[in-house]
Amino acid sequence: EAGVAQSPRYKIIEKRQSVAFWCNPISGHATLYWYQQILGQGPKLLIQFQNNGVVDDSQLPKDRFSAERLKGVDSTLKIQPAKLEDSAVYLCASSLFSRYEQYFGPGTRLTVT
Amino acid sequence: AQKITQTQPGMFVQEKEAVTLDCTYDTSDPSYGLFWYKQPSSGEMIFLIYQGSYDQQNATEGRYSLNFQKARKSANLVISASQLGDSAMYFCAMRGSSNDYKLSFGAGTTVTVRA
Repeated sequence: EAGVAQSPRYKIIEKRQSVAFWCNPISGHATLYWYQQILGQGPKLLIQFQNNGVVDDSQLPKDRFSAERLKGVDSTLKIQPAKLEDSAVYLCASSLFSRYEQYFGPGTRLTVT
Repeated sequence: AQKITQTQPGMFVQEKEAVTLDCTYDTSDPSYGLFWYKQPSSGEMIFLIYQGSYDQQNATEGRYSLNFQKARKSANLVISASQLGDSAMYFCAMRGSSNDYKLSFGAGTTVTVRA
């Protein structure tokens, strides 16, 4: 069974630029999560999807971050415009349903200069 | 609210020895789950072990065991017979019913295994 795929693995941008990350969850997993992990900290949930609907986006900075999961499969996370403090690893995870085990992708390491 | 505390920022262990990683938690949920994840330098989070709050026995998975002490609200991870490949960041996480089963992570502990 293929795992959670993410791309790109690394991205370097200047502040005020925009960037997008892509996630392909494990086939059949209804729940998809985006986490932000700042260096030296544990992951923090940004947004949770159930199929193509948003379950929780309470910690998503909506003035600059947006996410979508069209057709309930792949998802994209966008930052526009980026700030220096957005430098982090962005992890995507999926689970069969919200109460089940979460499987994580390799993450995208973003550096904002 | 849920809170996970990992007080050990970094630990060194000799190859083939055992190491214990501390994790304490705070929750008002009567039912919750505790997880340990490993994050190597490659970045992905690898699930290691799970303990349910109502499980009677401590969880074990190969060389990993979870020392669950419910009254003390602790869920320490024990890695036996450490290997060089165990060098990584380890995160304790909790999931409860009060926040729709979202995972809350601790700050992590870096483990370095010495040859």
